[in-house]
Amino acid sequence: SQQGEEDPQALSIQEGENATMNCSYKTSINNLQWYRQNSGRGLVHLILIRSNEREKHSGRLRVTLDTSKKSSSLLITASRAADTASYFCAINQAGTALIFGKGTTLSVSS
Amino acid sequence: EPEVTQTPSHQVTQMGQEVILRCVPISNHLYFYWYRQILGQKVEFLVSFYNNEISEKSEIFDDQFSVERPDGSNFTLKIRSTKLEDSAMYFCASSVSPNTGELFFGEGSRLTVL
Repeated sequence: SQQGEEDPQALSIQEGENATMNCSYKTSINNLQWYRQNSGRGLVHLILIRSNEREKHSGRLRVTLDTSKKSSSLLITASRAADTASYFCAINQAGTALIFGKGTTLSVSS
Repeated sequence: EPEVTQTPSHQVTQMGQEVILRCVPISNHLYFYWYRQILGQKVEFLVSFYNNEISEKSEIFDDQFSVERPDGSNFTLKIRSTKLEDSAMYFCASSVSPNTGELFFGEGSRLTVL
């Protein structure tokens, strides 16, 4: 399957803790993207990392990509209750539409 | 900030009825997409559209589905004869670049088929 597979499926943490979500995939990629979805809402793009990049930062987000292991991780530092949402990785291959994984549901309690 | 808008937000229909979901993509975007999400499950790709034609479609996008850009702003998804299993959230998205950059999603149209 082209899609990414997120791990864990669900994650519960306390405010202030870090949250790490992982994504594994099986094919070669152009880039890998992470999206966030609040309950019942649309998806919002968080960050894109290209296949020749190893790490990117955006505010409290840090994404890593290991193309040899075909895996990526999303780290949210100093989490807040407002970070509660589902997080999806999405695989972009050459010439094909973006394919999403099943998502990780993050719950941050105050 | 420009956004993708979708209507209706929720539609309830009887099995076998035709449904049209509408989307207004971001104005300078040229690539358009429909995805769907069955409650609590993964986001599934349906179709991508560029230059007034389908550029890619998934196995889900069978003969019951069609897309159209009837004018310069709207992008529609039609389901000809709805089935119970078509009940889902349907998301429209648009992008500047084809299949490489970020997608901008609408808030979705929830379709309930009874």
